[in-house]
Amino acid sequence: AQKITQTQPGMFVQEKEAVTLDCTYDTSDQSYGLFWYKQPSSGEMIFLIYQGSYDEQNATEGRYSLNFQKARKSANLVISASQLGDSAMYFCAIGQGGGGNKLTFGTGTQLKVEL
Amino acid sequence: ETGVTQTPRHLVMGMTNKKSLKCEQHLGHNAMYWYKQSAKKPLELMFVYSLEERVENNSVPSRFSPECPNSSHLFLHLHTLQPEDSALYLCASSQDRTSGYNEQFFGPGTRLTVL
Repeated sequence: AQKITQTQPGMFVQEKEAVTLDCTYDTSDQSYGLFWYKQPSSGEMIFLIYQGSYDEQNATEGRYSLNFQKARKSANLVISASQLGDSAMYFCAIGQGGGGNKLTFGTGTQLKVEL
Repeated sequence: ETGVTQTPRHLVMGMTNKKSLKCEQHLGHNAMYWYKQSAKKPLELMFVYSLEERVENNSVPSRFSPECPNSSHLFLHLHTLQPEDSALYLCASSQDRTSGYNEQFFGPGTRLTVL
């Protein structure tokens, strides 16, 4: 069984600052994928970034980067230069194998960006 | 239409009603998913269809019945629901690959209220 733990129910950040959203995971699989999704108030889940368990480099996508520490089983999302539009729920998820066909999600972190 | 669409966006039904949720993906993907999102709980995977065959049913009650007539359409038929079934129902699609990762693209969801 796989499990995702997100311990921060809510976070605040000032506009233009960087913020780190925590995610730890538990799995017995050797091959797995880690995903981050954003859910604005409109409800749609938006894919942000992916990290494979065998990827040696941390993933980056624009202002998003994933701080992957395999030994600690953590996959924190770093958002640089926060914008008001970044205010949303953020979910970490783990997928079986490298593909991620079956995702297990965490409970999410509500991020609020302030002026 | 682009991406993943879901209809209706909002649905209120009585416990004795029968209704259906519809999902359509315009991305040429070969896998589709139903998720349930309840307040303060992680997303729960309900059903997975790959190449129109159901490959996953996470012990969902029989009052939820999925149907996938082709790779672009997915339905969730509802009957004799309970108030605790009130939730946001999200549909997603992905391109299953034998290697690499399969990010899932989500629709905006159907907000279901059972009275």
